[in-house]
Amino acid sequence: DAGVIQSPRHEVTEMGQEVTLRCKPISGHDYLFWYRQTMMRGLELLIYFNNNVPIDDSGMPEDRFSAKMPNASFSTLKIQPSEPRDSAVYFCASSFIRGASYEQYFGPGTRLTVT
Amino acid sequence: DQQVKQNSPSLSVQEGRISILNCDYTNSMFDYFLWYKKYPAEGPTFLISISSIKDKNEDGRFTVFLNKSAKHLSLHIVPSQPGDSAVYFCAASDRGSTLGRLYFGRGTQLTVWP
Repeated sequence: DAGVIQSPRHEVTEMGQEVTLRCKPISGHDYLFWYRQTMMRGLELLIYFNNNVPIDDSGMPEDRFSAKMPNASFSTLKIQPSEPRDSAVYFCASSFIRGASYEQYFGPGTRLTVT
Repeated sequence: DQQVKQNSPSLSVQEGRISILNCDYTNSMFDYFLWYKKYPAEGPTFLISISSIKDKNEDGRFTVFLNKSAKHLSLHIVPSQPGDSAVYFCAASDRGSTLGRLYFGRGTQLTVWP
């Protein structure tokens, strides 16, 4: 399996622009997670889906952030408008809960820089 | 509020010696614990896990210990190798109420020097 795929790997944009991050989970996984990693806050959960349905979006920082999962093989995280404080590495992860196994598998991340 | 805490942001160990990374948690409902390793420019990768019904789990050079009464777990790496240099994240889950979700600590940067 190719693992979790994220695109783009790097994104540089100007403040006020719309940014869309993309994720393809591992085939067969039914959970999908979006995380943001910063020096100040570490690895924080933004939102997660189960069977394409958002379960908990309490980590989404504000209304400028939105996430969708139109099908089992694709998800997007959108920031509109972007601000310099959104600069971070954004990770997507997926998992398949079976028995006692709870491991999440992470993508390589998207490094976002907002100038 | 941080439910999983890694109070040491960094640890430096000589090659061949033991590395001990520590993690504390506050939620007594957590029943499954994991350690992830992260190299620069890569996503975290799963390393080892332990269920709350156990107090030790071993996989090669890696051993995780769980002390439920102290709400503390630790990862031992013996012997440490330069390739182990990475950020290590502790994570926990309450499988009964937040199915699928993991709570992460902020990570500990391990440096293994020759």
